[in-house]
Amino acid sequence: NAGVMQNPRHLVRRRGQEARLRCSPMKGHSHVYWYRQLPEEGLKFMVYLQKENIIDESGMPKERFSAEFPKEGPSILRIQQVVRGDSAAYFCASSPGQGDYGYTFGSGTRLTVV
Amino acid sequence: AQTVTQSQPEMSVQEAETVTLSCTYDTSESNYYLFWYKQPPSRQMILVIRQEAYKQQNATENRFSVNFQKAAKSFSLKISDSQLGDTAMYFCAFASWGKLQFGAGTQVVVTP
Repeated sequence: NAGVMQNPRHLVRRRGQEARLRCSPMKGHSHVYWYRQLPEEGLKFMVYLQKENIIDESGMPKERFSAEFPKEGPSILRIQQVVRGDSAAYFCASSPGQGDYGYTFGSGTRLTVV
Repeated sequence: AQTVTQSQPEMSVQEAETVTLSCTYDTSESNYYLFWYKQPPSRQMILVIRQEAYKQQNATENRFSVNFQKAAKSFSLKISDSQLGDTAMYFCAFASWGKLQFGAGTQVVVTP
């Protein structure tokens, strides 16, 4: 039973390009969460999604960032027109559903903007 | 809004000794969960221990145990018989209504 799969593991983008980060939740999990970890800091909540629904996006920057979790396929975190300050590790976690706090984390995607 | 505070940026402990990491939180929720996660240099987030707020008994997982003081909103982690492999960042986290919120972390360094 594969865990939470994130890809790519490392992503390098030039300023102004788009970054797409993918997260496939654990089998049987229908809830996905995205977190950002800046160097030497803790994980900051970004967005919480169910299939085809955004439940809580209170941690998402208002511009350039978007997330989706379609009916089929992985969850995608999209960052448009990346800037140096977007360089960070982005983690995805999944859980079976609301009320079940059995979170499983992926290994993260390290985004470097040059 | 909930907040999680870890006031110790770094702790050093010798092998086989015991270290205690502090965590306090603030919430108006009555039902919630508390967690300690470990992040070694590999960056993988590893669950160490979990506590449901409605349970009075402190959770224990092998060498890891917590002291949960609900009234004081305190959730400390004790690592007993420390091993070199325990060297990592340790994050305290709070969850209610789905999302996890993390503290800033405590770097634990275990020395021979």
